[in-house]
Amino acid sequence: QVQLVESGGGLVKPGGSLRLSCAASGFTFSDYYMSWIRQAPGKGLEWVSYINSNGRIIYNADSVKGRFTISRDNAKNSLYLQMNSLRVEDTAVYYCARVPGHWGQGTLVTVSS
Amino acid sequence: ETVLTQSPGTLSLSPGERATLSCRASQSVSSSYLAWYQQKPGQAPRLLIYGASSRATGIPDRFSGSGSGTDFTLTISRLEPEDFAVYYCQQYGNSPFTFGPGTKVDIK
Repeated sequence: QVQLVESGGGLVKPGGSLRLSCAASGFTFSDYYMSWIRQAPGKGLEWVSYINSNGRIIYNADSVKGRFTISRDNAKNSLYLQMNSLRVEDTAVYYCARVPGHWGQGTLVTVSS
Repeated sequence: ETVLTQSPGTLSLSPGERATLSCRASQSVSSSYLAWYQQKPGQAPRLLIYGASSRATGIPDRFSGSGSGTDFTLTISRLEPEDFAVYYCQQYGNSPFTFGPGTKVDIK
């Protein structure tokens, strides 16, 4: 069955960095477009970043441009989100997801001093 | 940016009733790249509908999607107890791949 498992979340100070990972299984990862989406506590869904199947087309939300970088390793069936210059407002559960389709269970990122 | 507006914000209904949820886009959604997701408290969203009207694998046929251009609808023909949740629409035709603010379907 399709599984997406995020990892790498945690508590970080403003200005710090984190790298999120998403391990995919149960489907041909290299065939699918992927995204990162986040949800701040008690809020709605916010799309963050997108990458096409071969990694050559990338889109980012304005709120993270220049700070977050999405990437993938099809040989390792993995998706990544490098997050730099983190802000308090980046605090959220981060989900990886097929576009459109199955989502992982998410990993919590808390940015606080 | 394509802004999605969902209405109503909250829908209070009883089990067995029909639910009609609306998603309106500020500009035409490319190739009907419109999806609907269901989210329950403490859980990740689950894909219900993609391509505006195609049911995802394993989704009961009481869920249906329709629409094109700027107006889309999710219909739940007869509400089951497990259907009370928040529903989001998302367009994935043009970046940024925006979400609507959600419609909460709660028990009347």
